[in-house]
Amino acid sequence: KAGVTQTPRYLIKTRGQQVTLSCSPISGHRSVSWYQQTPGQGLQFLFEYFSETQRNKGNFPGRFSGRQFSNSRSEMNVSTLELGDSALYLCASSLAGRDWDGYTFGSGTRLTVV
Amino acid sequence: AQTVTQSQPEMSVQEAETVTLSCTYDTSENNYYLFWYKQPPSRQMILVIRQEAYKQQNATENRFSVNFQKAAKSFSLKISDSQLGDTAMYFCAFMKKSSGDKLTFGTGTRLAVRP
Repeated sequence: KAGVTQTPRYLIKTRGQQVTLSCSPISGHRSVSWYQQTPGQGLQFLFEYFSETQRNKGNFPGRFSGRQFSNSRSEMNVSTLELGDSALYLCASSLAGRDWDGYTFGSGTRLTVV
Repeated sequence: AQTVTQSQPEMSVQEAETVTLSCTYDTSENNYYLFWYKQPPSRQMILVIRQEAYKQQNATENRFSVNFQKAAKSFSLKISDSQLGDTAMYFCAFMKKSSGDKLTFGTGTRLAVRP
C-alpha cells in the first residue's frame, strides 16, 4: 500500500510570506500528526487531527495552523514566515482507537526561509 | 511533562558487530509506549521497534532488541550483526497511551557502521 505522502519535498520562501504543506495519509488512517525537526530544537510536536478535528496541539505560535479534510488529507499553514521556521516538517498518520498500531511517517517537506 | 534523554550524540560500530544505544525517560504515567525510530539520509522516520510499558517481555524485531527497565526508566536498543544500512540517526520516543497523544523524542544518536 502507498505510504504517507508529503508535498512538496522542498520549498524556499521569503521571510514574511506564508506557506502551505500537504500530507496524504495511508489509506484508512484517520489520524494525522505534524512535527517540526530542526538541528537546534530537535523534533517537536505541532498538532494532531482526527476526523477533521484538532485533538492535540503543541507549543507553537498561532502562525502555525492546520486542518484536515474529510478524506483525511491534512494541510499545515505557516503565516508570516520567520527565518527560524526553516525546518524539516514531518507528517505521520495512524489508525485510531483500538486498531492503533503505531505511526507511519512521510519523508517530510524541507522548508527554507530566506 | 515527559522528557526523553539520549546521552550518546554519536556512535560507531564495525560491520557485523553489536552496538547498544541508550535512552532514559522521565514520566509519572503508568500506561505508555516507547519507540525507537531510525532516520536515514532519506529523512523518513522509520519505526524500528515498539514496547508497551505494561509488557514485561522485551520487544525484539530480527536483529533489533530492547532492554526495557521500567523502574529505572531506561530503554536501550541493541543492534546485532550491524549492517551498513543501519547507518542513520536513531531516535528514542515516548508516548502516553491515550488518543491523539504526541510522540516526545530524544535528541537522537547518530550511528555510523564502518565496513
